Amino acid sequence: AQSVTQLGSHVSVSEGALVLLRCNYSSSVPPYLFWYVQYPNQGLQLLLKYTTGATLVKGINGFEAEFKKSETSFHLTKPSAHMSDAAEYFCAVVGGYNQGGKLIFGQGTELSVKP
Amino acid sequence: EAGVVQSPRYKIIEKKQPVAFWCNPISGHNTLYWYRQNLGQGPELLIRYENEEAVDDSQLPKDRFSAERLKGVDSTLKIQPAELGDSAVYLCASSLDGAEGAGAQYFGPGTRLTVL
Repeated sequence: AQSVTQLGSHVSVSEGALVLLRCNYSSSVPPYLFWYVQYPNQGLQLLLKYTTGATLVKGINGFEAEFKKSETSFHLTKPSAHMSDAAEYFCAVVGGYNQGGKLIFGQGTELSVKP
Repeated sequence: EAGVVQSPRYKIIEKKQPVAFWCNPISGHNTLYWYRQNLGQGPELLIRYENEEAVDDSQLPKDRFSAERLKGVDSTLKIQPAELGDSAVYLCASSLDGAEGAGAQYFGPGTRLTVL
């Protein structure tokens, strides 16, 4: 069965600093991995996804993530934080459509950005 | 292009009352999902539809929850009767078919339910 663990329920960075949100997954089949962002009182928005191919994937708003199979990780990074990046971030995995196509979400990491 | 539409945005009811949520997915998206998101947690799937067929409802508490997607477009999720523990945000999402579509889900703004 697939699962996701996000390390740190809350991360705080200064504006302009590196953002690093950690995600480790467990999957018995090659995983499809995703990062979603949720702003207050809004639904989730897809930031980026990894399915196959290049392991470094770029998403919207300057975010990127690298799939590392040996570490079962899919950490999210952004070189320079902006105030508008403050939100809740969710890592998710789906083990392929023949596994039901069900997204399994992590607990979420709340990102705060200090001026 | 219009996104996933949900209504109402907020609902406050007393326990034991019924409540219904409505969702209209993105045009052309055959797969529709209902999730429940408790405070401080990630969303959890309640039910997934492919067209009008519920293909995964294993996490839906069937004693009090029901859902339908007549004509394979919009969908309604109902709770009857509601309990205090049902207070949460109910999210609807839609996607194209296929494995990549299953991950690239587009979410509506959600309905925040408060049961008193």
